[in-house]
Amino acid sequence: AQSVTQPDIHITVSEGASLELRCNYSYGATPYLFWYVQSPGQGLQLLLKYFSGDTLVQGIKGFEAEFKRSQSSFNLRKPSVHWSDAAEYFCAVGAGGYNKLIFGAGTRLAVHP
Amino acid sequence: DVKVTQSSRYLVKRTGEKVFLECVQDMDHENMFWYRQDPGLGLRLIYFSYDVKMKEKGDIPEGYSVSREKKERFSLILESASTNQTSMYLCASNPGDRGNEKLFFGSGTQLSVL
Repeated sequence: AQSVTQPDIHITVSEGASLELRCNYSYGATPYLFWYVQSPGQGLQLLLKYFSGDTLVQGIKGFEAEFKRSQSSFNLRKPSVHWSDAAEYFCAVGAGGYNKLIFGAGTRLAVHP
Repeated sequence: DVKVTQSSRYLVKRTGEKVFLECVQDMDHENMFWYRQDPGLGLRLIYFSYDVKMKEKGDIPEGYSVSREKKERFSLILESASTNQTSMYLCASNPGDRGNEKLFFGSGTQLSVL
């Protein structure tokens, strides 16, 4: 069965520091992978997606993610975090028919000034 | 921009009540989804629909049903609400063509069952 694991429930970084959020997936075929962000009191917004091709994907707000098939991972990165990046981040995998997405449990990011 | 509208931002209901959560999308999307979001569990799929009057169970359908009588509207029904259904409910839609799995989300309904 398809599944997504986000090993880190909470992460705290200082403003200006680099960030990496981990995501591991389980899926039998070539996955479609997504990162969403949910700011406090807001709906979910798509940061980036991987369908095929270049394994390094650029997204909005300066985020990028790298697909590594050998590690079944799709980690999200940002070189310099801003206070406004404090939010909850969800990794998701496209689960085949009807375009369902299976989500991970989320990682809550706190940013210290 | 696609708009997915959920009729209520907050709802408070009593145990045993029948509860309707309504969702409307304005972009003629084929697929619509209901998720619930709980701390530490992320988003879990309850039901989805790929066409009018068509529905499929997600991962946690127990205690819920759905209705899709018109393409733009997808309703989630709690036949007899229970306290363990207190949660944030998120509706989403997408166009339905393969390779276009981006979900468009509503702002959510926070349901409290007392």
